[in-house]
Amino acid sequence: GAVVSQHPSRVICKSGTSVKIECRSLDFQATTMFWYRQFPKKSLMLMATSNEGSKATYEQGVEKDKFLINHASLTLSTLTVTSAHPEDSSFYICSATQTHGGPQHFGDGTRLSIL
Amino acid sequence: QKEVEQNSGPLSVPEGAIASLNCTYSDRGSQSFFWYRQYSGKSPELIMSIYSNGDKEDGRFTAQLNKASQYVSLLIRDSQPSDSATYLCAVTFYSGGGADGLTFGKGTHLIIQP
Repeated sequence: GAVVSQHPSRVICKSGTSVKIECRSLDFQATTMFWYRQFPKKSLMLMATSNEGSKATYEQGVEKDKFLINHASLTLSTLTVTSAHPEDSSFYICSATQTHGGPQHFGDGTRLSIL
Repeated sequence: QKEVEQNSGPLSVPEGAIASLNCTYSDRGSQSFFWYRQYSGKSPELIMSIYSNGDKEDGRFTAQLNKASQYVSLLIRDSQPSDSATYLCAVTFYSGGGADGLTFGKGTHLIIQP
């Protein structure tokens, strides 16, 4: 149980392209979904918290106009990196939780490379 | 600011021995504590969760929590080469307004020597 699917697993694209990443909870309804970013040899850093039907809450330093989050249902959240640049290249990972304060289950991550 | 501290290692342990991983956190309001395992290039995998003081055992893994000392640990008994990975300590605080994201430590790189 508690499977989270993330797609695509890898994206390579040119600078200026917008990239959309999907995160789905397959066998449970997620009260909250989270988006993290991990640079090489660094730990995961929370970017934003997403609740179904409401605006995402972004962490300090994360541009909400650059990283658009849509949480249309209890099983789907999307992250769109708009006009991506090489410095946005990173490992983006989503997670979902069924209960407040409970464990988060992670998707397999999306490795984004901007040329 | 919430901080989670771990020794980055590497921590080298002989196969079959006990691996001991430690973590401290700064926010006394922290309520939920997790250990994740992350293999290189992969996403984190939940190993243990612990919410109250004391020990919690699950197979070869034991998590220990001491809220007074703001300290969490993970013991791995009978260590196997497949346990070699980076172990992330993560902490969250439930504010009542909704789930909070995890604050991760930088991780401890564990190497189990055959």
